[in-house]
Amino acid sequence: AQSVTQLDSQVPVFEEAPVELRCNYSSSVSVYLFWYVQYPNQGLQLLLKYLSGSTLVKGINGFEAEFNKSQTSFHLRKPSVHISDTAEYFCAVNRGSTLGRLYFGRGTQLTVWP
Amino acid sequence: EPEVTQTPSHQVTQMGQEVILRCVPISNHLYFYWYRQILGQKVEFLVSFYNNEISEKSEIFDDQFSVERPDGSNFTLKIRSTKLEDSAMYFCASSDLGPGIGELFFGEGSRLTVL
Repeated sequence: AQSVTQLDSQVPVFEEAPVELRCNYSSSVSVYLFWYVQYPNQGLQLLLKYLSGSTLVKGINGFEAEFNKSQTSFHLRKPSVHISDTAEYFCAVNRGSTLGRLYFGRGTQLTVWP
Repeated sequence: EPEVTQTPSHQVTQMGQEVILRCVPISNHLYFYWYRQILGQKVEFLVSFYNNEISEKSEIFDDQFSVERPDGSNFTLKIRSTKLEDSAMYFCASSDLGPGIGELFFGEGSRLTVL
C-alpha cells in the first residue's frame, strides 16, 4: 500500500522568506509524484509532477521539488514566497499505473505573513 | 480556460436520504474520478471511471455508492442512503490521460453535510 506523509500540518513564514514543505512516501514500486495546491474555496490545482528523468522538477508560481529516491522524499521548495502563496499544499503519489489512484498526504497549510 | 464544474457546492441532507452529486468534466477528457476529504483528514480516492465503466474503486466505495455518466457531459456520484460519516467534501476530477501521465483537473468540490 502507498503512504504519503507530510510532516508539517502548518508552516507559517514571512513574505520573501524561503520555504520548504516536506513530503515522504512509502512504496515498494516506482511511483509518480505530485504536488497540488488548494486556494481557499477552490479545487486542487497541479503545481508540479515527477514522472521520470531529472530529479529536480520545476512547477508553476516559482515552486520546485526534488525527488530523492534513497530518502523516499519529494520536498517542495520556493526561494522567496509571496502572500498570494498562502494555501494548502498536498503531496500525492501514484503507483505508476495509468489508471491508478492518487494517494494524498494530509496537506500542509502554508501561511505567508507580511 | 476549461474547468471541471461541480454542483451543488453545498448540500445538507438527512441521514438515510439519497444524494446525487454532479460533475461536468472537461469536454475532451476520458478519465473521471471522485475523491473525498473528510474534515481534517486526507483527500481519499473513491473511484475512477474510464470507457463507461469503473476502472478502480477503493474500500470506501461500497454498495451505497454508484457512479454514472448518463450523457456525454455529466458524471455523477450517487450515495443511496447517506450516513453521518459520509459528511465530507467530494471532489470530481478528470484527465485526458491516466493520472500517471496526464494531469488531474479537480473541481471546486461539493460539501455534503449529513444530519
